[in-house]
Amino acid sequence: QSALTQPASVSGSPGQSITISCTGTSSDVGSYDLVSWYQQHPGKAPTVLIYEGSKRPSGVSNRFSGSKSGNTASLTISGLQAEDEADYYCCSYAGSTTFDVVFGGGTKLTVL
Amino acid sequence: EVQLVESGGGLVKPGGSLRLSCAASGFTFSSYSMNWVRQAPGKGLEWVSSISSTSSYIYYADSVKGRFTISRDNAKNSLYLQMNSLRAEDTAVYYCASLVGATLDYWGQGTLVTVSS
Repeated sequence: QSALTQPASVSGSPGQSITISCTGTSSDVGSYDLVSWYQQHPGKAPTVLIYEGSKRPSGVSNRFSGSKSGNTASLTISGLQAEDEADYYCCSYAGSTTFDVVFGGGTKLTVL
Repeated sequence: EVQLVESGGGLVKPGGSLRLSCAASGFTFSSYSMNWVRQAPGKGLEWVSSISSTSSYIYYADSVKGRFTISRDNAKNSLYLQMNSLRAEDTAVYYCASLVGATLDYWGQGTLVTVSS
């Protein structure tokens, strides 16, 4: 499976909202409501922000939201804060006859 | 508190072998599928392998199939990755992560594997 497509970088000012897109195909993002989003700060392990497209684990701020349209999933961060500066990865289930998981290339968020 | 602690990384020559371990605590390890995910220096995440709770189902990425073997010992709350015929492109931080549905919900801190002569 090919990697999902994310923008390499996005930026925004504190308080603003940004959206990170994640484009796949009808074999992954478009076929399953199983997109997850991960945040990774430098030198740290990823943590899950969104699962099954739009669900938030307990403890994750409601400033983070997920959605999907066709083959493209999106992560929106509202009310940007300095601590949101990190790398963000989308991930989709992609298995049809076998288990397969595919990640996006990652997006570096800069808070100006 | 859920904890996943990887170990076993290090420097190995091309063609060599290494065995990674992941010690789990704070949750019912035997009830969860487990995965290995890697991240090459400065690069993105790549799923490597998955094993179901009872080891009945095992899957590998094409890039490691035939060279890596995932296993687990539920009595020891441990996950393993035997890596053989290592290549320079296997250089990465290797994370173990628990799987719920298709979500990697808990991650360890990672262990660095460097393949170099």
